[in-house]
Amino acid sequence: DADVTQTPRNRITKTGKRIMLECSQTKGHDRMYWYRQDPGLGLRLIYYSFDVKDINKGEISDGYSVSRQAQAKFSLSLESAIPNQTALYFCATSEAGKYTGELFFGEGSRLTVL
Amino acid sequence: ELKVEQNPLFLSMQEGKNYTIYCNYSTTSDRLYWYRQDPGKSLESLFVLLSNGAVKQEGRLMASLDTKARLSTLHITAAVHDLSATYFCAVDPSGSGTYKYIFGTGTRLKVLA
Repeated sequence: DADVTQTPRNRITKTGKRIMLECSQTKGHDRMYWYRQDPGLGLRLIYYSFDVKDINKGEISDGYSVSRQAQAKFSLSLESAIPNQTALYFCATSEAGKYTGELFFGEGSRLTVL
Repeated sequence: ELKVEQNPLFLSMQEGKNYTIYCNYSTTSDRLYWYRQDPGKSLESLFVLLSNGAVKQEGRLMASLDTKARLSTLHITAAVHDLSATYFCAVDPSGSGTYKYIFGTGTRLKVLA
């Protein structure tokens, strides 16, 4: 089983619908992140959380919200999806206090907004 | 605003050849990461470079960091088909461990038999 699990893996929805992408991890890491990947743009940070009570905006947070339900769970919501939110979304974790700070990624959630 | 630029964006090379991918960034940082992404897959960590002059090697890949030049390189030696993937560099802009990583646009590498 993957250490960082994202659901759903694929989702097609219509403009204006509310969508939630979920992420859970078994790595025991405190830090969790949501990134968006678009062709030619690399990965861009949407939100990040360093613990359950700490939520921070990233580069492109407009149109998104998040919830850190527990140390192991971090959800991304699109309140009213629009076509330019069609992308591949990745959840990632890193270990607080660990000097290397590398990210561990989930398998990705491909979202298509029609 | 921190910018992270990779070049080339696309690289097609013959097996057995050597090549270098470059990652330039626009602000001070002493933390740089390289990740690999296979088509349709997630990203996996390749190298973590945490100081000026750091050099890491794994198989046919070697990464280095020059913080004064704000440059990291990923050198490929005697490429093989299995190295075909997209490679991303990522920078922690603060250098103080806020971990707000900024990614480059990626270099898509295709190794031809």
